[in-house]
Amino acid sequence: EAQVTQNPRYLITVTGKKLTVTCSQNMNHEYMSWYRQDPGLGLRQIYYSMNVEVTDKGDVPEGYKVSRKEKRNFPLILESPSPNQTSLYFCASSTSGRSTGELFFGEGSRLTVL
Amino acid sequence: AQKVTQAQTEISVVEKEDVTLDCVYETRDTTYYLFWYKQPPSGELVFLIRRNSFDEQNEISGRYSWNFQKSTSSFNFTITASQVVDSAVYFCALSEVYNFNKFYFGSGTKLNVKP
Repeated sequence: EAQVTQNPRYLITVTGKKLTVTCSQNMNHEYMSWYRQDPGLGLRQIYYSMNVEVTDKGDVPEGYKVSRKEKRNFPLILESPSPNQTSLYFCASSTSGRSTGELFFGEGSRLTVL
Repeated sequence: AQKVTQAQTEISVVEKEDVTLDCVYETRDTTYYLFWYKQPPSGELVFLIRRNSFDEQNEISGRYSWNFQKSTSSFNFTITASQVVDSAVYFCALSEVYNFNKFYFGSGTKLNVKP
């Protein structure tokens, strides 16, 4: 089954404790991206990647890092989480080599930073 | 600057009513793509439609239809004869080719369809 898998789905952590949210897709997509969803703000793009070792900032990259060492994986790293990073996070991949294709989303990861 | 505006925060209708969700976008690019996604209460995001800037034809898919008007920079979504299962948050989104790989979502419209 074609899918985008995120882990963990739910996480409560404390300020400053590094964490990684993993994202994996099995559709051989080149384009992957991360979003955060906050009430009243919709989804905002954090980072995206056009291919292995090619990543770039979206609209709200501060406080986040990403890496793309393998085509299927695109982890989101919070080096020193803060309460304002409490949010619902979505990973997505695209049929197109760019963002212009349909996005396939993971189920979301709800993160709470205390 | 806001790229995609969904001014309707929440709409409530009674089943079988028609409802239109508004989307207004802003772009300097001549080539761009517009999308609608649905987020039901279960939380996943479901792709509904993609439309490129050169295709202004309206599209109909069952009870869903989309009206794209470049003159007003709008890409509105109409649900005909709404059903309870249509209750969800709907997001409009824009992707620009010149600023490719960046994706802009609106703030979403929550649709409540009551039986």
